[in-house]
Amino acid sequence: AQKVTQAQTEISVVEKEDVTLDCVYETRDTTYYLFWYKQPPSGELVFLIRRNSFDEQNEISGRYSWNFQKSTSSFNFTITASQVVDSAVYFCALLSSNDYKLSFGAGTTVTVRA
Amino acid sequence: NAGVTQTPKFQVLKTGQSMTLQCAQDMNHEYMSWYRQDPGMGLRLIHYSVGAGITDQGEVPNGYNVSRSTTEDFPLRLLSAAPSQTSVYFCASRANMNTEAFFGQGTRLTVV
Repeated sequence: AQKVTQAQTEISVVEKEDVTLDCVYETRDTTYYLFWYKQPPSGELVFLIRRNSFDEQNEISGRYSWNFQKSTSSFNFTITASQVVDSAVYFCALLSSNDYKLSFGAGTTVTVRA
Repeated sequence: NAGVTQTPKFQVLKTGQSMTLQCAQDMNHEYMSWYRQDPGMGLRLIHYSVGAGITDQGEVPNGYNVSRSTTEDFPLRLLSAAPSQTSVYFCASRANMNTEAFFGQGTRLTVV
């Protein structure tokens, strides 16, 4: 069985503050894939990033960065210098190589105040 | 390139009515799936398909049917709508087993 836990339900920050979203996952597979999706107030789901279990290199893309640590089964996501447009629900998701199902966490609502 | 297209965007049903949510993708993806999104619960898998003619149940399949007669289309049927099926429904497709999923715009369904 696989499981994704996003312990933070809501985060509220003032513009330009950094925001880190936590994601902890469980899987018995040694090969798996982790994702972050963004759901803005308009409702669509936007793919942000995909990481493979065999690639622990962390990544920075503009104001976004990701910290993948297999030792703690965590895949955290940071928004640097947040902007109002970053206000959204962010979902962490897990796909195991032996399972067709993409499992989602409950989501973290990020509110960035001007 | 339209990606994943869902119709309708909004729907109100009376208890006991049936309806079909449409989903089409133009990316030639083999994998398609239906999720429902409820507050505080993330997205839960209803049914999925790994190719034309092949479907299987996800976490919450009761009350829903699917079929996959073509690669492009994956409709979701509500057999007899119940208030518990009030939710936002998302269709998704992905190229193969290990790639990211692309989602439709969602259908907000209310059953009264």
